[in-house]
Amino acid sequence: DAGVIQSPRHEVTEMGQEVTLRCKPISGHDYLFWYRQTMMRGLELLIYFNNNVPIDDSGMPEDRFSAKMPNASFSTLKIQPSEPRDSAVYFCASSLITAQETQYFGPGTRLLVL
Amino acid sequence: QKEVEQNSGPLSVPEGAIASLNCTYSDRGSQSFFWYRQYSGKSPELIMFIYSNGDKEDGRFTAQLNKASQYVSLLIRDSQPSDSATYLCAVTPNSGYALNFGKGTSLLVTP
Repeated sequence: DAGVIQSPRHEVTEMGQEVTLRCKPISGHDYLFWYRQTMMRGLELLIYFNNNVPIDDSGMPEDRFSAKMPNASFSTLKIQPSEPRDSAVYFCASSLITAQETQYFGPGTRLLVL
Repeated sequence: QKEVEQNSGPLSVPEGAIASLNCTYSDRGSQSFFWYRQYSGKSPELIMFIYSNGDKEDGRFTAQLNKASQYVSLLIRDSQPSDSATYLCAVTPNSGYALNFGKGTSLLVTP
């Protein structure tokens, strides 16, 4: 299996621009998680989905952040408008329903907002 | 948010020694406990998990859980330079499957 796939791997944008991060979970996995990692705050859960339905979005920092999962093989995390404090590494992870807590992480998207 | 605390390190141990990494958590209802390893610039990868009080061994790794004291630890025996990484402790709450991560402990194994 190819593992969790994320794109782009690196993104540099200017403040105010819209940013869209993409994730393809491992085939057959039922749960999908979006995390953000910074030096200051560590690894934080933003939102997670079960069978394409958002279950907990309490970690989404502001209304500027939104996430969708239109089907079992694709999810997006959108930031609009972006701000310099959004600069971080964004990870997507997925897991099987029979082992929900064993999460497999994608390579991450390194976002820099200037 | 419930806290998961780790000493940021760096923890430096000589090659062949035992490295001991510790983690405390504030949510007494936490159910499951995980150790992830993260190399610089890479994504976290699961090393092992533990659900019950006591020790769980997997190769050179041993996880120890004490729910009464609300701490979990990871021992790495015969440490190798390739073990040099940041080790993240993660905890699931009483309900749900979201992982709450500590900020990690940096481990350096010197030849």
